[in-house]
Amino acid sequence: EAGVAQSPRYKIIEKRQSVAFWCNPISGHATLYWYQQILGQGPKLLIQFQNNGVVDDSQLPKDRFSAERLKGVDSTLKIQPAKLEDSAVYLCASSPVRNNIYEQYFGPGTRLTVT
Amino acid sequence: AQRVTQPEKLLSVFKGAPVELKCNYSYSGSPELFWYVQYSRQRLQLLLRHISRESIKGFTADLNKGETSFHLKKPFAQEEDSAMYYCAPSENQAGTALIFGKGTTLSVSS
Repeated sequence: EAGVAQSPRYKIIEKRQSVAFWCNPISGHATLYWYQQILGQGPKLLIQFQNNGVVDDSQLPKDRFSAERLKGVDSTLKIQPAKLEDSAVYLCASSPVRNNIYEQYFGPGTRLTVT
Repeated sequence: AQRVTQPEKLLSVFKGAPVELKCNYSYSGSPELFWYVQYSRQRLQLLLRHISRESIKGFTADLNKGETSFHLKKPFAQEEDSAMYYCAPSENQAGTALIFGKGTTLSVSS
């Protein structure tokens, strides 16, 4: 099966600019996650979707970050305006079931550099 | 607050030596526990999960609830085991979100 797809793979922007990342999960996976991985740290959950509804966005900086998952398939994560500390790899993952503990499948990530 | 500690940032061993990657967690309830691995230029992927009691690529992980540890072990390391390893408990009640440790880089040399 095709894996989780993300684009772009790399993005360089200046602070205060906007940026958007796209994720296409594995077909049929109901749950989608966005993680932020800052250099030297493990991934940190930003937001979790179940179909097109938000399950957990408690760690999403809502003053500048937004995410949506229209039609319960693809998802977009946006940062507006970006800050230097947003430089990180943004990982998208999907899993087939929410209520049981199932494996999460990760995309290749988008490396964001804010200058 | 839930916390995961991987005390070693880097672990260097020779081929054939035993390996133990440490993981301690501070969690309320009974989390599910996973180890994820990221090989060079590859995606983050599941290595093993506690609930399956399985051995993958020669690795096993024992849950010690008394010490709240979930150390990853392999009796004889191979060069292809060189990678970044993350311990990741999952909240069992609110969903399946993972909380990752900072990771340990395993370097196996010949």
